[in-house]
Formats: sequence, C-alpha cells, structure tokens
Amino acid sequence: SQQGEEDPQALSIQEGENATMNCSYKTSINNLQWYRQNSGRGLVHLILIRSNEREKHSGRLRVTLDTSKKSSSLLITASRAADTASYFCATYLRASGNNRKLIWGLGTSLAVNP
Amino acid sequence: DGGITQSPKYLFRKEGQNVTLSCEQNLNHDAMYWYRQDPGQGLRLIYYSQIVNDFQKGDIAEGYSVSREKKESFPLTVTSAQKNPTAFYLCASSALNEQFFGPGTRLTVL
Repeated sequence: SQQGEEDPQALSIQEGENATMNCSYKTSINNLQWYRQNSGRGLVHLILIRSNEREKHSGRLRVTLDTSKKSSSLLITASRAADTASYFCATYLRASGNNRKLIWGLGTSLAVNP
Repeated sequence: DGGITQSPKYLFRKEGQNVTLSCEQNLNHDAMYWYRQDPGQGLRLIYYSQIVNDFQKGDIAEGYSVSREKKESFPLTVTSAQKNPTAFYLCASSALNEQFFGPGTRLTVL
C-alpha cells in the first residue's frame, strides 16, 4: 500500500539550479527516508529524518519534515547532470512495532540538463 | 566488499514456467525484502522476512513464493500463477531503518 505521494511527478531543470521535491503521507511516522534510483538500477539511501526532527542536511541535500502537515521536502542545491534520477520518499510507520517495512511513494523523476 | 547481489540481471521466461530469482547479502542483516517495480511506478512489496525461517506476505504476494533457510539468502520464485510477471524485481536488506538494495533483475515473459 502506498502512503506517500511525491510532487511533482517529473521535474526538468538546468545544471546549477536547485531542485525541490515534496512528499506527503497519511499516517503518523517514526521516520521518513529519501532514496535515489538511477535508471534501471537499485535504490540508494540518501537521508533519513526522524519524526522529532524538522530539518537535516547532507552535502547538497536538505530535507525538511512538517509532521503537522504530514509532508517532507527534499532540496538538491546546485544540481548536476549526475543528479538525474528518480527520487522516492519512504516512511517507517510509528505503529510498525517489530514490523520493519517501509511504505513507498511513487517517486519524482528529475532531469538535470547540461 | 559488503553488499547485495541479485542474479541474473536479465531473465526471460516462457508462459507457464516457474522461475527463481536469487538474492544474496553479506551485510549480516536480519531483514530482507522483495519488491516489484513496473515502468514509471514506485515499489510494491511482494514478501519480506525479518528472521531466518520466517517470512510475511506483502501487498502483492499472489503468484510468488519465497524461502529463508539462510540469513544470507532470500530467493523469490515467480510461479505460473502470476498473471503479469514482466517487471523489474528488487531485493533489499535492512538492519534497522535504512534499506540496502541489490541491482535488480529484469524479468520478461515471452
């Protein structure tokens, strides 16, 4: 069952510009994670933000979390052609207990043009 | 190098045949997962296992089967009961929160 929805579904920008992707979810979460998938490859974990955190940085990535709005955003600054990929948010539900599974969004396809 | 391997990378199957996709990890993770991804879509959970000799159905388990006899291995069998098996299959493992993915197997039914 998908609980996350990414917005926009597709994004095309020029190299050097910033890219912002949003993710909304429906139920209370323990944490929210962002992953990247290059075409035809497996996913790579980018960053995790816990429900008691509001903002987190990792290199050119900035993630925010607003639990009152049940939404998160991923900002990639100074984008490069190599950032071209699909980006997925995934939530680990607060009610999971020992049931360690992620709920995935449908992804944002980012194209960074040279 | 630690990681997850999936084989084969490409797999072709005739209708009515069962096929088994391999997934091996040397990360010493307890939990392992199988996902299906269709073009332009997100990930849908097929089966997952949190410990050896135990596994649970995900959202789309019909037509699939798994086993977890060893911690390192979580093979997925796509049976002839799966009506639309052509897809990209991803295996993942996890110790706590973050999931680590294999490179995927692209299955095509001829």
